[in-house]
Amino acid sequence: QVTLRESGPALVKPTQTLTLTCTFSGFSLSTMGMCMSWIRQPPGKALEWLARIDWDDDKYYSTSLKTRLTISKDTSKNQVVLTMTNMDPVDTATYYCARMNIDGPAYALDHWGQGTLVTVSS
Amino acid sequence: SYELTQPPSVSVSPGQTARITCSGDALTKQYAYWYHQKPGQAPVLVIYKDTERPSGIPERFSGSTSGTTVTLTISGVQAEDEADYYCQSGDSSGPVVFGGGTKLTVL
Repeated sequence: QVTLRESGPALVKPTQTLTLTCTFSGFSLSTMGMCMSWIRQPPGKALEWLARIDWDDDKYYSTSLKTRLTISKDTSKNQVVLTMTNMDPVDTATYYCARMNIDGPAYALDHWGQGTLVTVSS
Repeated sequence: SYELTQPPSVSVSPGQTARITCSGDALTKQYAYWYHQKPGQAPVLVIYKDTERPSGIPERFSGSTSGTTVTLTISGVQAEDEADYYCQSGDSSGPVVFGGGTKLTVL
């Protein structure tokens, strides 16, 4: 059974750095074809993809946010970490992590965490 | 990066067929994926690789493709299908793109 859970601060101040952790079970990110993505959704708005990390440590970022984002993985802990610098109130959103299984449904995000709401406010 | 365009809203009566489109140049080269999202919940994959249905997704959900447009079809719409629907594409080049979402209202 695949499960994912996001954790991190619910409130950050403007200009601070946000660090979010996705802890997962039921698969290994060292298995060929496994990838993890971060996605966010501002209240009442659409989904926005942020970053992706692959089993072979290849990393990809949203063009508009790439200067602020870093994604990393700790395979031994079954965790993926996203950091976002210089937070602004417009970054207030629910942040999700989700899995891709290229050898399964290809580039679909087939399992999602429940999301964590991050509010940026002084 | 490229864009995927969806209609903001679609309305149907129970038992009718709902069709939600997603358009974008990248869809001629990349598969499309569809999710539904109910309020306060995470998205759920309902169609992958344009036309495939994950296990556990009802047969009334189907996908099709034609050129730069993919379509999610929900046959015999039920009240529980009321949700936001998002298309998505991506490939080995890395970036993932979502459409702007379509709110399906069951009248």
